[in-house]
Amino acid sequence: AQSVTQLDSQVPVFEEAPVELRCNYSSSVSVYLFWYVQYPNQGLQLLLKYLSGSTLVKGINGFEAEFNKSQTSFHLRKPSVHISDTAEYFCAVSGVSSNTGKLIFGQGTTLQVKP
Amino acid sequence: NAGVTQTPKFQVLKTGQSMTLQCAQDMNHNSMYWYRQDPGMGLRLIYYSASEGTTDKGEVPNGYNVSRLNKREFSLRLESAAPSQTSVYFCASSLTIVSYNEQFFGPGTRLTVL
Repeated sequence: AQSVTQLDSQVPVFEEAPVELRCNYSSSVSVYLFWYVQYPNQGLQLLLKYLSGSTLVKGINGFEAEFNKSQTSFHLRKPSVHISDTAEYFCAVSGVSSNTGKLIFGQGTTLQVKP
Repeated sequence: NAGVTQTPKFQVLKTGQSMTLQCAQDMNHNSMYWYRQDPGMGLRLIYYSASEGTTDKGEVPNGYNVSRLNKREFSLRLESAAPSQTSVYFCASSLTIVSYNEQFFGPGTRLTVL
């Protein structure tokens, strides 16, 4: 079984400042890792995913995440945020051998970018 | 190319009423999913359909039924709505059921059960 913990429910930050959204996971099997973003009143869309290989993954809109196997973490970062990045961000995992496509989501982190 | 569409966008029901949430995708995806989103709990899988003609329970299936009508459409039915089913419901689809595939989400249905 897998579980995901997003360590911050809300992260306020000023425009053009850097940001890190933290995600830790627990799993007894190998996993794939995902970050999804949900803009107000919209569905979720994929920011980036880690499947294998380089532990630093680059996604859309200037976001990147680093997979740390020893710390079971997959933190999301952006060096300079914009007002338009205000949204809810979800970390998710799925088992590599899963045949259900099931994603286990964290609780979500609301990023509030202030002018 | 509309992606994943859901109807209705909003719905208010009284306890005990029934309703069906509709979902359709135009990406020729084989697999489809229904999630519910509750504050502070992320998204939880209700049911999924690996391919046309198959459906399986997810994490929280009680009180729901699904129908994979064809490759494009996957509906979710609440037979007797309860206040605990007040939530935002998302439909998603992916090319296949393998776990590394991106899931594409619809805009959601906000359901309130009084």
